[in-house]
Amino acid sequence: DERLLESGGGLVQPGGSLRLSCAASGFLFKYYAMTWVRQVPGTGLEWVSTITSDSRTTYYAEAVRGRFAISRDNSKNTVYLQMNSLRAEDTALYYCAKDYHDSTGLEPWGQGTLVTVSS
Amino acid sequence: DIQLTQSPSSLSASVGDTVTITCRASQDIRNSLAWLQQRSGKAPKSLVYAAHSLQSGVPSRFSGSGSGTDFRLTISSLQPEDSATYYCQQYYTYPYSFGQGTKLEIK
Repeated sequence: DERLLESGGGLVQPGGSLRLSCAASGFLFKYYAMTWVRQVPGTGLEWVSTITSDSRTTYYAEAVRGRFAISRDNSKNTVYLQMNSLRAEDTALYYCAKDYHDSTGLEPWGQGTLVTVSS
Repeated sequence: DIQLTQSPSSLSASVGDTVTITCRASQDIRNSLAWLQQRSGKAPKSLVYAAHSLQSGVPSRFSGSGSGTDFRLTISSLQPEDSATYYCQQYYTYPYSFGQGTKLEIK
């Protein structure tokens, strides 16, 4: 059973930093890209970032480029999202998803971790 | 960037009905389109990938169709558990993008 479990969310002040983690199990993590998607509660989904299986290539939404960094540790079956210079508009529920780009797309998804940026 | 426009934004239907949600892409995305279901308070779940292929375990009353710029998700024989918000999502190119969502209410 493929599963993803996010952690690391919380309350942070504007300008602060936070690192999210997403632990994977039930599939061969090292062979798949991984993606972060966020959702302001009550609104739609917004793609944030993707990292390829070998970490060679990363992609970012314009809204986070230069402030967020995605990385992964295939030995720990974990993908990370380092978030710096946080803004109020980054407040959202952050989901990670396994990304099989050329086949089944984004599935499964984790349960999400809430990030609140407020003073 | 590719924009996805879903319609309708909301709809209400009864158990046993058939409904169709449409998604239009701002440019040709071949068949690189997925449909996601998000029940209230839950994480999204992929139902359909590659425009028409069902994810494992998804009931056959869900079906996807279309290619290029116009896509449809059809749900037949509606069940109470189908009450959710449905999103289309393109993975043809980065940045990935999502439709704005269609909220389905079961009367």
